Amino acid sequence: GENVEQHPSTLSVQEGDSAVIKCTYSDSASNYFPWYKQELGKRPQLIIDIRSNVGEKKDQRIAVTLNKTAKHFSLHITETQPEDSAVYFCGVGDNLFFGTGTRLTVIP
Amino acid sequence: KAGVTQTPRYLIKTRGQQVTLSCSPISGHRSVSWYQQTPGQGLQFLFEYFSETQRNKGNFPGRFSGRQFSNSRSEMNVSTLELGDSALYLCASSRDRPDTEAFFGQGTRLTVV
Repeated sequence: GENVEQHPSTLSVQEGDSAVIKCTYSDSASNYFPWYKQELGKRPQLIIDIRSNVGEKKDQRIAVTLNKTAKHFSLHITETQPEDSAVYFCGVGDNLFFGTGTRLTVIP
Repeated sequence: KAGVTQTPRYLIKTRGQQVTLSCSPISGHRSVSWYQQTPGQGLQFLFEYFSETQRNKGNFPGRFSGRQFSNSRSEMNVSTLELGDSALYLCASSRDRPDTEAFFGQGTRLTVV
């Protein structure tokens, strides 16, 4: 199956700063790359996704960039807020193989 | 519309027993995937069912199996439970694969003692 590596495993930022989470994958045929956010005690929910025919996608404070040649993609959160604190998972491909998650803490 | 429903929410089982978990997808969704979530291991893909057929399978032993019914509801079975099977089991439904949003249930917390 797909091998997905996600870094960092934990990330602490000051409120208002930016946060970046990176994922690499192994299967060059993968074409779908979603990011899910899981708040404590809740189910994962999709926050943004990107398909292989574009290199970047933005939705307000959240953006995802994709480099298919290098097989990596990143989640960018700008102007972080305490409510952004959660575990973020990157997903890859049709079967949605996930990374091991990044616990983001935004310090007020 | 109703979300993805998993039952039961909590289970405690003894080593060696077997367990069956249930997942009811969103109406109209034909794809159901199952994941095991443990601290430090993230979301590990178990298998995916579509129209009653297993389309894809992750790297789990044969003790983990599943099925899907004609109404798209899915069950997951784990036989000969081990302590290491203790985890949160999540199912996710989507209209189809690929590249459509997956909606997760709240999960079943399985504890093996």
